[in-house]
Amino acid sequence: GENVEQHPSTLSVQEGDSAVIKCTYSDSASNYFPWYKQELGKRPQLIIDIRSNVGEKKDQRIAVTLNKTAKHFSLHITETQPEDSAVYFCAASGGGQGAQKLVFGQGTRLTINP
Amino acid sequence: GAGVSQSPRYKVAKRGQDVALRCDPISGHVSLFWYQQALGQGPEFLTYFQNEAQLDKSGLPSDRFFAERPEGSVSTLKIQRTQQEDSAVYLCASSLVNLAGNTGELFFGEGSRLTVL
Repeated sequence: GENVEQHPSTLSVQEGDSAVIKCTYSDSASNYFPWYKQELGKRPQLIIDIRSNVGEKKDQRIAVTLNKTAKHFSLHITETQPEDSAVYFCAASGGGQGAQKLVFGQGTRLTINP
Repeated sequence: GAGVSQSPRYKVAKRGQDVALRCDPISGHVSLFWYQQALGQGPEFLTYFQNEAQLDKSGLPSDRFFAERPEGSVSTLKIQRTQQEDSAVYLCASSLVNLAGNTGELFFGEGSRLTVL
């Protein structure tokens, strides 16, 4: 089955700087890669996603890149703000019998220092 | 409300007790998922329903875990004879199935935090 590895586990950046979180996946049949943000004690919420037919997607300060050959994808947050502090999870799905479930990474705790 | 609703939000059980966790998905969402999230970890897949059919239960950790969605809407996750390692947040999520039948955005509930003493 699918296996998703995420790093770093913690990331601390100065307000205004950029943050990058990276994930790798194992199942070459996976075709959907979302990123979720989870604030303390809250539900995970989708912030951006990408499908395997594109290599990059951008939404204001957030972008995701996908390298299907290398089986890795990354989240980029520019001009970070204090409200970006949260735990971020990458996920992958779409491969064969696993097409209907998301497999999540272990999470990255992002702290934005004012 | 229009979101995924879970109850109870918090449950404390003595080891050996049975618990039932309820999920009320977004109206019209045919897909429903249960995930287990241990402290400081990512959500781990437990089981998946499409309408009332349980299509994947490969993530259920033991036969003490049972899930149902008899009318294709509300779902219940039941844990029998709870053990300390069952302590976690149990997240329910629902989604629309897009035309290609692939996974779309998952909308999560706030979760049910289970503590087994």
